[in-house]
Amino acid sequence: DTAVSQTPKYLVTQMGNDKSIKCEQNLGHDTMYWYKQDSKKFLKIMFSYNNKELIINETVPNRFSPKSPDKAHLNLHINSLELGDSAVYFCASSQPLGAGELFFGEGSRLTVL
Amino acid sequence: QKEVEQDPGPLSVPEGAIVSLNCTYSNSAFQYFMWYRQYSRKGPELLMYTYSSGNKEDGRFTAQVDKSSKYISLFIRDSQPSDSATYLCAISGGKLIFGQGTELSVKP
Repeated sequence: DTAVSQTPKYLVTQMGNDKSIKCEQNLGHDTMYWYKQDSKKFLKIMFSYNNKELIINETVPNRFSPKSPDKAHLNLHINSLELGDSAVYFCASSQPLGAGELFFGEGSRLTVL
Repeated sequence: QKEVEQDPGPLSVPEGAIVSLNCTYSNSAFQYFMWYRQYSRKGPELLMYTYSSGNKEDGRFTAQVDKSSKYISLFIRDSQPSDSATYLCAISGGKLIFGQGTELSVKP
């Protein structure tokens, strides 16, 4: 039974389109994250939610909008996709105020043409 | 200057070699130090975790932290082809900040 699951695993789309990625965790964690990993494997935090409340919002274009309907789910919607948005987006979860162990999903590979 | 610096490699070694992976960080307030391993097309997974200066050993893996130099290392003894992956250091001072990751290939 997958602990952190994301859908879809792959997205290929045209510039200017809108797309969403969904994430669910069954670990009972209160905190969830979106990370972006670029082609050079650099993993950068985008957003973090604790029990449905936004607690980290890094410098991300406002075309990216996260939404947490409950503490087990965190979605990411991206408007007006650009070429530079091509990356792998990882969802993760952890206990709040933990020592930093994150449990990651397998990633959603977005390609913008 | 990035908060966490890691040589991206790639690093290629023969099976059985000792591997040394390193990161430096800039903020002395960082408290927790981790190494994650990421296999191709998978998410990162926690490999080692420590919060104090010194060494921590787990099987063939040893994590070393030197807070005075702001330097952390991961050593892999008797490296195996199954160790081929990207290794990311991660440092926490409230939020988790990752290094760029070092791509390691262990050749049979």
